[in-house]
Amino acid sequence: KAGVTQTPRYLIKTRGQQVTLSCSPISGHRSVSWYQQTPGQGLQFLFEYFSETQRNKGNFPGRFSGRQFSNSRSEMNVSTLELGDSALYLCASSPVAGSTDTQYFGPGTRLTVL
Amino acid sequence: GNSVTQMEGPVTLSEEAFLTINCTYTATGYPSLFWYVQYPGEGLQLLLKATKADDKGSNKGFEATYRKETTSFHLEKGSVQVSDSAVYFCALSPYGATNKLIFGTGTLLAVQP
Repeated sequence: KAGVTQTPRYLIKTRGQQVTLSCSPISGHRSVSWYQQTPGQGLQFLFEYFSETQRNKGNFPGRFSGRQFSNSRSEMNVSTLELGDSALYLCASSPVAGSTDTQYFGPGTRLTVL
Repeated sequence: GNSVTQMEGPVTLSEEAFLTINCTYTATGYPSLFWYVQYPGEGLQLLLKATKADDKGSNKGFEATYRKETTSFHLEKGSVQVSDSAVYFCALSPYGATNKLIFGTGTLLAVQP
């Protein structure tokens, strides 16, 4: 079974631009979550989607948004990029949305904002 | 609120030494608890998990027991190898219909031959 895939793996953008990151979950998984990892703040929860509905949102500004498609693939978008948005963005998938579920992480997208 | 506190790193050990990485949590209800490992340049891999009090998670020689009385989930391994060098994250998922994970700050483990 293929794992969680994220594209692109690396991105370089400049301040003020916007970016879209993509995540394809493991086949059959319907829940996708996104996390931001930075040296200063560690791993922080961005949002969680299940069956195309956002179920949970972390404490991030409205510039961060996401969506999930009917095939469970998910995208996250960051508008008006700031230097502080430079981070590793991780996506995780699981079969359903329950606290006991194991989440499987993708390799991440490394975003650099110049 | 929910939070996870884990010991600061880096932790430097010689091969075959005993490993303990402390993790304590604050949560309402009955969260599930996880240990994830991140190797350089990679995403996170689940190492082990426990979903209720007194459960012991184990994998690849690593163990952790869900202690509700001390709100702890310490990671242990009897004999570490160089290949165990990585960053280890303790995490909790609040009870309920959610996959949200709250992570500790991570502990870098360096094992020397």
